[in-house]
Amino acid sequence: DVKVTQSSRYLVKRTGEKVFLECVQDMDHENMFWYRQDPGLGLRLIYFSYDVKMKEKGDIPEGYSVSREKKERFSLILESASTNQTSMYLCASSSTGYRNQPQHFGDGTRLSIL
Amino acid sequence: GDSVTQMEGPVTLSEEAFLTINCTYTATGYPSLFWYVQYPGEGLQLLLKATKADDKGSNKGFEATYRKETTSFHLEKGSVQVSDSAVYFCALQGGNEKLTFGTGTRLTIIP
Repeated sequence: DVKVTQSSRYLVKRTGEKVFLECVQDMDHENMFWYRQDPGLGLRLIYFSYDVKMKEKGDIPEGYSVSREKKERFSLILESASTNQTSMYLCASSSTGYRNQPQHFGDGTRLSIL
Repeated sequence: GDSVTQMEGPVTLSEEAFLTINCTYTATGYPSLFWYVQYPGEGLQLLLKATKADDKGSNKGFEATYRKETTSFHLEKGSVQVSDSAVYFCALQGGNEKLTFGTGTRLTIIP
């Protein structure tokens, strides 16, 4: 089974701090994704990566950056955390295969910015 | 752009009731369609998928049929259980690897 592991289930940080959310997958997937989940809004894509050192903006990249130095690891960075970034963050990975392979998700990190 | 509209919740049903959660989509080309489920305190899990028109995805008693003519992918189950209580997300995947999600439907099953 594919395993996508997010480093923290719960995280509390202060406004202005630099925050790192880590995600590791163990299935050699090419694609990795970061979403945030908010009530009534579903999942919104922040950034994604098709390969090592490659990144592309999703629908809501403002205030975030990402890093993918190794194939199995995809980090989300909040450069200067703000209270409106309090949310559930979900990481996912998928392989590049025939006809839209499904994404596999981690259990999420619930981030609170005080 | 691509979009997914799904039935607003929350939905509350009694055990053994019939379930339908509506999902319609807007997309160019021929997207693949998915239902994901999120149990309390967990991430999303793939429930079922369909990759072309008239395909039926099924898993754990749930079914959904890809209807191109009505741009729909409604989720159904004949007899729900308490353990089906979760949030259900409809999603589409177009020509690239990105998923577009609906807003989710919270389902609660009461004994």
